Amino acid sequence: DQQVKQNSPSLSVQEGRISILNCDYTNSMFDYFLWYKKYPAEGPTFLISISSIKDKNEDGRFTVFLNKSAKHLSLHIVPSQPGDSAVYFCAALYTGNQFYFGTGTSLTVIP
Amino acid sequence: DAGVIQSPRHEVTEMGQEVTLRCKPISGHDYLFWYRQTMMRGLELLIYFNNNVPIDDSGMPEDRFSAKMPNASFSTLKIQPSEPRDSAVYFCASRPGTDMNTEAFFGQGTRLTVV
Repeated sequence: DQQVKQNSPSLSVQEGRISILNCDYTNSMFDYFLWYKKYPAEGPTFLISISSIKDKNEDGRFTVFLNKSAKHLSLHIVPSQPGDSAVYFCAALYTGNQFYFGTGTSLTVIP
Repeated sequence: DAGVIQSPRHEVTEMGQEVTLRCKPISGHDYLFWYRQTMMRGLELLIYFNNNVPIDDSGMPEDRFSAKMPNASFSTLKIQPSEPRDSAVYFCASRPGTDMNTEAFFGQGTRLTVV
């Protein structure tokens, strides 16, 4: 049973435009959410996170939005750069428990 | 710290053989996770440890899979006997236990191919 879902397997965006990656979850107990970025032949690396007490967290070009009522979070990348091309995983956990990951979205930024 | 270290990076084995994947977590991290990456399920948690004790192994697919953590600096994931459907990339990750909400750090993974 997939508790964290990324319904878009892939996304293509022009360089300089905004990339929006979406994630939905089912467990209302989740209180911490993360985005990871993964390049081929490498392990996932942490990108940005958000606590359930917030609805937005920003770090440079990356912003994560959390809508608890909709059980939805999104990652915005502005402006998108070719180096952002990677697979992005969203993850969730509650009370320091295990991480639940989505299936990933492959982002391609076209120069 | 060199980060989470996994070995080998690639493993090719014949069906029926025993396979052992190894992981050295970041020093001082209390939690260790084993994940398997597949197209269908993304990053699938197999098992995780807290202070060397297995906490949840409900993600281990079947009895052919076993994991151990004999000490704070080493863990193994064993598949015996291996089958072609076990072919995947296996990741180990660790995180500190002091802050309950913090990210996990991943190793570079072991790509397993069972022929």
